[in-house]
Amino acid sequence: DTAVSQTPKYLVTQMGNDKSIKCEQNLGHDTMYWYKQDSKKFLKIMFSYNNKELIINETVPNRFSPKSPDKAHLNLHINSLELGDSAVYFCASSLRGTSDYEQYFGPGTRLTVT
Amino acid sequence: AQSVTQLDSQVPVFEEAPVELRCNYSSSVSVYLFWYVQYPNQGLQLLLKYLSGSTLVKGINGFEAEFNKSQTSFHLRKPSVHISDTAEYFCAVSAPQGGSEKLVFGKGTKLTVNP
Repeated sequence: DTAVSQTPKYLVTQMGNDKSIKCEQNLGHDTMYWYKQDSKKFLKIMFSYNNKELIINETVPNRFSPKSPDKAHLNLHINSLELGDSAVYFCASSLRGTSDYEQYFGPGTRLTVT
Repeated sequence: AQSVTQLDSQVPVFEEAPVELRCNYSSSVSVYLFWYVQYPNQGLQLLLKYLSGSTLVKGINGFEAEFNKSQTSFHLRKPSVHISDTAEYFCAVSAPQGGSEKLVFGKGTKLTVNP
């Protein structure tokens, strides 16, 4: 009964490949996010979706394309992978319009580009 | 724009000693502040949050933090740490954007508890 789940947990691929990371939440939240954690552990938001609508796009290269088929899922597709894309990607979710403001994080996907 | 500064990148302490992890923020709007913990090879877990009300906030695992508006600080404290508290700790501020909220994180403080 994991609240926010991501697949895969580890992803090793070569430069130039295309890959996807999937995220699902069963908390009934309506807002989902992708964060990137670099090798120095710095966390930065990439995207935010509310009810399948893109709300935040934080100057991420066009090679990254999020897709939200429904409000419980937010996938991240990355084209033409580069060495600099190696990082841990975290999905998170929250419920908009509440007084909570807490975001719940998934376990992360460690992407290694060789 | 919102920003967070964690003043110490690494904090080594001995078991059962008190610890304080420092966090300063900058925000031009109402402030919502969070501390998250990341254990090795795991995701982020919320320790505590300040939204409004009492400036002393108690969280899980014996941690607490004090919101100080005049000093724009939100330092995290624990009176007696355990080996199991060894982890990376992140301070974050919630920043409204486009009708949503994003978390702006500090660079993290690695807490190492030694026996």
